[in-house]
Amino acid sequence: ELKVEQNPLFLSMQEGKNYTIYCNYSTTSDRLYWYRQDPGKSLESLFVLLSNGAVKQEGRLMASLDTKARLSTLHITAAVHDLSATYFCAVFQGGSEKLVFGKGTKLTVNP
Amino acid sequence: NAGVTQTPKFQVLKTGQSMTLQCAQDMNHNSMYWYRQDPGMGLRLIYYSASEGTTDKGEVPNGYNVSRLNKREFSLRLESAAPSQTSVYFCASSEPAHPGDTEAFFGQGTRLTVV
Repeated sequence: ELKVEQNPLFLSMQEGKNYTIYCNYSTTSDRLYWYRQDPGKSLESLFVLLSNGAVKQEGRLMASLDTKARLSTLHITAAVHDLSATYFCAVFQGGSEKLVFGKGTKLTVNP
Repeated sequence: NAGVTQTPKFQVLKTGQSMTLQCAQDMNHNSMYWYRQDPGMGLRLIYYSASEGTTDKGEVPNGYNVSRLNKREFSLRLESAAPSQTSVYFCASSEPAHPGDTEAFFGQGTRLTVV
């Protein structure tokens, strides 16, 4: 049974600071997604990571995937208030189309 | 492009009533999903369908049934609603075999309250 754990679940940081959100998963997988959700809204795709060592960057966000360690990271550089949202990782169970989400990390960036 | 369309957007039910949540996608995707989102619980998978004619249980299937009517449509039915099913429901679709962009696309959600 695939389990997906995100850490931390809550993150309050100051503008200009850096931080990393971690996503661990329990079984083999070759596909991992990161999403952003604003309050009351649907999910917005951020990154699709499909292979070991994959690294993708968009603005102040960078995501990486280590399939051997079953770990993905979402790194935030020089945070700004507009990044305040809840961030989810989602993992496909190996050999199936079952897509399981972590509980999310609620990020608050303070001025 | 419409993407993934869910209906209704809001619904209030009385305990014991039944209803069907509709989901349709226009991207010719094979895989479709139903999730529920509750505070502090993230998104939990209810059922998914890897292709037309197939459905599989997710993490929290009890109290729900699904139908993959055709490749475009995937419905979620509550036969006898309970207050514990008060939640926001999201439908999603994906096409993992598509080269390149393989993200899962989400509908706008259905806010369901069972009183």
